[in-house]
Amino acid sequence: AQSVTQLDSHVSVSEGTPVLLRCNYSSSYSPSLFWYVQHPNKGLQLLLKYTSAATLVKGINGFEAEFKKSETSFHLTKPSAHMSDAAEYFCVVSEEGSQGNLIFGKGTKLSVKP
Amino acid sequence: NAGVTQTPKFQVLKTGQSMTLQCAQDMNHNSMYWYRQDPGMGLRLIYYSASEGTTDKGEVPNGYNVSRLNKREFSLRLESAAPSQTSVYFCASSLVDRAYEQYFGPGTRLTVT
Repeated sequence: AQSVTQLDSHVSVSEGTPVLLRCNYSSSYSPSLFWYVQHPNKGLQLLLKYTSAATLVKGINGFEAEFKKSETSFHLTKPSAHMSDAAEYFCVVSEEGSQGNLIFGKGTKLSVKP
Repeated sequence: NAGVTQTPKFQVLKTGQSMTLQCAQDMNHNSMYWYRQDPGMGLRLIYYSASEGTTDKGEVPNGYNVSRLNKREFSLRLESAAPSQTSVYFCASSLVDRAYEQYFGPGTRLTVT
């Protein structure tokens, strides 16, 4: 069965410094991997997706993630944090043919200090 | 274009009461989903409807029923609410061939006392 593990429940960075949110996955087949973002009191929004094309994926708002099969990882990065990046981030896996059954990680809350 | 709308935004129920959460989308999506979000648990799929006229159980369907009323609307019913159903409920929709790209509503915060 597929699963994702987000290695940090809370990450705190200063504005202007890099962001790293870590995610490891477990999947028997070729996974599709995603990052979703949830701003306070809002629904979730797709940030970026990996679906077996390029391993380095760029998303919205300057975020990117790299799929590393050998490490079963899909970490989310951003070179320079902005105050508006403060939110909860979810790593998500979906297997081919699963009819959109997304498996969510438990989330990483990102705080950005001025 | 409102996207995915949910009503109500907040609700407090007593144990044993029933209620229906409403969801509608105006993006002409075929597939719709209901999730619950609990602290430290991420989102868990309750039910989904891959297309109009079909519904399927997700990871945590017990205590819930759903109705796909038409292409736009997908409702979630709690027949006899329990405190364990206190949660934030999200509805989402997607195109059937882009099921990974789901669009979420703003959520319904439900408290069962």
